[in-house]
Amino acid sequence: DAGVTQSPTHLIKTRGQQVTLRCSPKSGHDTVSWYQQALGQGPQFIFQYYEEEERQRGNFPDRFSGHQFPNYSSELNVNALLLGDSALYLCASSYYGTGGGRDSPLHFGNGTRLTVT
Amino acid sequence: GQQVMQIPQYQHVQEGEDFTTYCNSSTTLSNIQWYKQRPGGHPVFLIQLVKSGEVKKQKRLTFQFGEAKKNSSLHITATQTTDVGTYFCAGRRGGYQKVTFGIGTKLQVIP
Repeated sequence: DAGVTQSPTHLIKTRGQQVTLRCSPKSGHDTVSWYQQALGQGPQFIFQYYEEEERQRGNFPDRFSGHQFPNYSSELNVNALLLGDSALYLCASSYYGTGGGRDSPLHFGNGTRLTVT
Repeated sequence: GQQVMQIPQYQHVQEGEDFTTYCNSSTTLSNIQWYKQRPGGHPVFLIQLVKSGEVKKQKRLTFQFGEAKKNSSLHITATQTTDVGTYFCAGRRGGYQKVTFGIGTKLQVIP
C-alpha cells in the first residue's frame, strides 16, 4: 500500500523563477493539503484540494497556486520565487468521501526541500 | 484566524524522566491531533481526540483533550531515546476545515 509520494525531494532555484512540486496521495485518499514548513517551525497550511477544486486556503499570496487531477494527485506551483520561500514543502493526504471521513487524520509525504538562492 | 500555541518549544530530559507538552487553541476545536516528526523526517500521525475531556493512552504516551475543547496535552512517562523528535499538536475546527499546527515541542532525551 503506497503512502504519500512527493517529487522532487530536493530543488534549488533562483529568485524570480517558478517551481512545480508534485504529490500523489495515499491509496484511497481523495483530499490533498499542502503545507510549508520553515526550519524550526510547525507546518503552515497553504491550501487544500478536494474534487479538483481549492476548498480552503491559508495566508499565502497568489504566487502560490495549485491543482488537483482526476486521479487525486496534486501540484503546487510557486511563481516569482523569493528567498523566504525556502522551506520544506509537505503534501498531506486524507479521506473525506461525502463527509464521513471529515475527521480523518493527515498522512504526510517526505516533503520537497526547496532552496531559493 | 485560528491560532494554536504550544509550550514549551524545547525540552531536554534525562532518559527515564517524564515529559509533558501543552497545546492551546484560540478557538474551540472539533478535534485535536498529535503528530511526531523525527529529525529529517515528516510528521507522523499519533492520535486524534474528539470528545470533551477525552483521555487516550498509547503505551507510555497519555493524551488529554480539555473540557472546553480548546486545550490538550501529551505526557510521556519514563522517556526513552526513541522518543526524540518534535511533537506537534494540530487542531481542526470542524468539517473539512484546515488542520492548524502548533509550533511544536522539540524533545531531546539524554542517555
